[in-house]
Amino acid sequence: DQQVKQNSPSLSVQEGRISILNCDYTNSMFDYFLWYKKYPAEGPTFLISISSIKDKNEDGRFTVFLNKSAKHLSLHIVPSQPGDSAVYFCAASEGAGGFKTIFGAGTRLFVKA
Amino acid sequence: DVKVTQSSRYLVKRTGEKVFLECVQDMDHENMFWYRQDPGLGLRLIYFSYDVKMKEKGDIPEGYSVSREKKERFSLILESASTNQTSMYLCASRSDRGPNQPQHFGDGTRLSIL
Repeated sequence: DQQVKQNSPSLSVQEGRISILNCDYTNSMFDYFLWYKKYPAEGPTFLISISSIKDKNEDGRFTVFLNKSAKHLSLHIVPSQPGDSAVYFCAASEGAGGFKTIFGAGTRLFVKA
Repeated sequence: DVKVTQSSRYLVKRTGEKVFLECVQDMDHENMFWYRQDPGLGLRLIYFSYDVKMKEKGDIPEGYSVSREKKERFSLILESASTNQTSMYLCASRSDRGPNQPQHFGDGTRLSIL
């Protein structure tokens, strides 16, 4: 049973528009959430994170929103660029140590020029 | 920049062989992890280590073991490889200096068991 779900395997967006990637989780004990980005033939790289005490975190073109009551988070990319085309993994962990990070299955984003 | 290096990008082995996957990090990180990535399943944690000679099982440890004799090196061992262990294997490291540090990943080893 997947505790972190990314229900959209892929998403296609026009360059310059907003990309919204969604993630749902089932474990209410998760208190830290991360997004990683993965290009083909490379390992995932950390993109942005959010603690459960916040509902929004912003870093340049990337914003993560957390809705704890709905157990839902989303990553917004504005404006989208062709270089953003990659697989995006949502991840969640519990506790300050957070050794067991649970990853979603990933969403492949295509940004069309 | 943190560098996590996995010794092989591609590896082909036969059923029943003992397989070693090596991972080295250069940032003196305390924590190291092994994941496998399969389509539709994301990254699943096999084992992790929070210190030299210390190891803990992740979510799917069956058929695997690990070794951490030095801080910078974390090895994943497939005791007797089986075809269902064909996968992409990712190693990661993470600092303990501060809460909620992100993991840094290597580029992966694509392992095929024939």
